[in-house]
Amino acid sequence: TQLLEQSPQFLSIQEGENLTVYCNSSSVFSSLQWYRQEPGEGPVLLVTVVTGGEVKKLKRLTFQFGDARKDSSLHITAAQPGDTGLYLCAGAQTTDSWGKLQFGAGTQVVVTP
Amino acid sequence: DAGITQSPRHKVTETGTPVTLRCHQTENHRYMYWYRQDPGHGLRLIHYSYGVKDTDKGEVSDGYSVSRSKTEDFLLTLESATSSQTSVYFCATAGGTGLFYGYTFGSGTRLTVV
Repeated sequence: TQLLEQSPQFLSIQEGENLTVYCNSSSVFSSLQWYRQEPGEGPVLLVTVVTGGEVKKLKRLTFQFGDARKDSSLHITAAQPGDTGLYLCAGAQTTDSWGKLQFGAGTQVVVTP
Repeated sequence: DAGITQSPRHKVTETGTPVTLRCHQTENHRYMYWYRQDPGHGLRLIHYSYGVKDTDKGEVSDGYSVSRSKTEDFLLTLESATSSQTSVYFCATAGGTGLFYGYTFGSGTRLTVV
């Protein structure tokens, strides 16, 4: 059982559409991160959120951390084919001292021209 | 040069043989981690290190051992490879801007046990 549940598992949209990916848990996290992974490569960090209710924007990507620090969402506005990839959320539990991250299973996003 | 280099990138090995994967970093990060990635499971922690010669087990450590004799290198050994260890293995480091502020990952090693 995944500590972090991501939904949906797969998302296929047309270029220009918007999309939202969710990351939910019953546990509280000291920080939560989003990564994007392309085939044959390691995940690349997109953002880290640490404060409940925090919203961060990275160009067309908007990240939100839930008030209770148990969930997060990633919203992409006007998606482009370059946004295609596996999106992973990961959290550091408040009891952890060694930076160990729990990962969700990922959301595969495909943006077609 | 890449900050984190994993070697080899691909390996096919036979059941029962020992295998060692190498992770080399030039980031001078204190913390290093080994994860495996499998469809439907995401990334799962195998072992991690919080300093030279300081290591501990993650959630899926059975059948694996690690060593870290210097800051730059973190080795993962499959003592006697089994087909269930066929996976993609990723090394990650942390400690640049802050321990809880995100990992830097290597490009992975695809291991097939036949």
